[in-house]
Amino acid sequence: GDSVTQMEGPVTLSEEAFLTINCTYTATGYPSLFWYVQYPGEGLQLLLKATKADDKGSNKGFEATYRKETTSFHLEKGSVQVSDSAVYFCALSDRIAGGTSYGKLTFGQGTILTVHP
Amino acid sequence: DARVTQTPRHKVTEMGQEVTMRCQPILGHNTVFWYRQTMMQGLELLAYFRNRAPLDDSGMPKDRFSAEMPDATLATLKIQPSEPRDSAVYFCASGSTGAWAAEAFFGQGTRLTVV
Repeated sequence: GDSVTQMEGPVTLSEEAFLTINCTYTATGYPSLFWYVQYPGEGLQLLLKATKADDKGSNKGFEATYRKETTSFHLEKGSVQVSDSAVYFCALSDRIAGGTSYGKLTFGQGTILTVHP
Repeated sequence: DARVTQTPRHKVTEMGQEVTMRCQPILGHNTVFWYRQTMMQGLELLAYFRNRAPLDDSGMPKDRFSAEMPDATLATLKIQPSEPRDSAVYFCASGSTGAWAAEAFFGQGTRLTVV
C-alpha cells in the first residue's frame, strides 16, 4: 500500500536558520503530495501541495518540489521564525489512472519543529 | 469563513460508556474522513465517505466503532463500549474530490479521554 516516511524528529533550530524536513513516499499510482502543519491544540492545516512531477508548492516562505525520480517531497524554508514552531506532516493522496482522485490521505509520522529566538 | 466543525471539543467518559462524536463538513464537500491521532500511532485513517457512502472503514475496529453520515451536513463516529485505549484526538476532515488534487480541510478535533 501507499506510505510516507518523514525524517526523524524533533528538529530544533535558531531563528533565521535554514530548514529542511525530508519526506519520501511509496505509491502504486501517481499521487498528489501535500505538507500539512499542526499548531498546538489545533487541527491540521494545508501548508502547500503539488500535483505532478517537478511541480513546486510554496506558501509562507515554505517550498517543496515533487521529485518523481527520487519519490521525494522535501520541505524547505530559508529563514525560520519562532512562529513556525509546530508539527509538520507530509502526506499523499492516492489517484487512479486517468486523474480522478479518491482523496484518501496517507500521512507520515510528523516532525516536531521548535524554533528558538 | 467555511470550516469543519466538530463537537464536542473535549470528552471525558468512563470505560464502557457510549461516545458519539459529530462533524459538520464544509458545505459542498463530498468526501468526509475520520482520523485518530495518538502519540504512539500518529495519524490513522479510520473511515471515509464519498457522497455519504462509506468507501473504506478498514482502519476502524468493527466490534466497537461505527461511522455514519445520516445526511450531507452531519457525520458521526460512535464508540460502544469505550475503552481506555480509545483515548486519542479524533479528527474529521472534508474535501471535494475531483481531478488531480484533493486536499482535506480538518476540524479542530475531539479530545477523548476514557478513564
